[in-house]
Amino acid sequence: DQQVKQNSPSLSVQEGRISILNCDYTNSMFDYFLWYKKYPAEGPTFLISISSIKDKNEDGRFTVFLNKSAKHLSLHIVPSQPGDSAVYFCAAYSGAGSYQLTFGKGTKLSVIP
Amino acid sequence: DGGITQSPKYLFRKEGQNVTLSCEQNLNHDAMYWYRQDPGQGLRLIYYSQIVNDFQKGDIAEGYSVSREKKESFPLTVTSAQKNPTAFYLCASSPRGLAGVEETQYFGPGTRLLVL
Repeated sequence: DQQVKQNSPSLSVQEGRISILNCDYTNSMFDYFLWYKKYPAEGPTFLISISSIKDKNEDGRFTVFLNKSAKHLSLHIVPSQPGDSAVYFCAAYSGAGSYQLTFGKGTKLSVIP
Repeated sequence: DGGITQSPKYLFRKEGQNVTLSCEQNLNHDAMYWYRQDPGQGLRLIYYSQIVNDFQKGDIAEGYSVSREKKESFPLTVTSAQKNPTAFYLCASSPRGLAGVEETQYFGPGTRLLVL
């Protein structure tokens, strides 16, 4: 049973436009969410996180939105750049006694010059 | 430069052989983790350790073993009991690894294990 779902395996966006990557979760105990970026044959790199007490967190070109009632979060990248082409993983953490990050399967973003 | 190192980058295993993947961190983090990634899949937790000389099984610990004799080191052994070891293995660390504490896990570059 997948608790963190990234339903779009891939996404293509024109350079300069907005990229929106989506993530849904089923476990209502999740209260901290992270986005990681991963290039092939490399380890994931932390991008941005959001706590359940917030509905938005912004860091430069990256903004994460959290809709707790819908159990949905999204990562916005504006403007998209060719170097953003990578696989993006959504991960969730439950503060209620868990150390473990639960990952989605990832979305491959391709930014077309 | 603080970070996490994993070696080797590529590792080949013969049938029936145990192999050990190295993970070292100089971030002074208490907690360390091992994940496995298969094609088209998310990361799955194999083992984690919150403190030296202590570790717990994750979701897919069967066929793997770990040790945590030093704070900065968390080697993973893939034993012959692991029937499908071909995967990309990622080591991570976080400052405390405590329940209820929101933390970021930082990852090493990974080791790709292939079976001959």
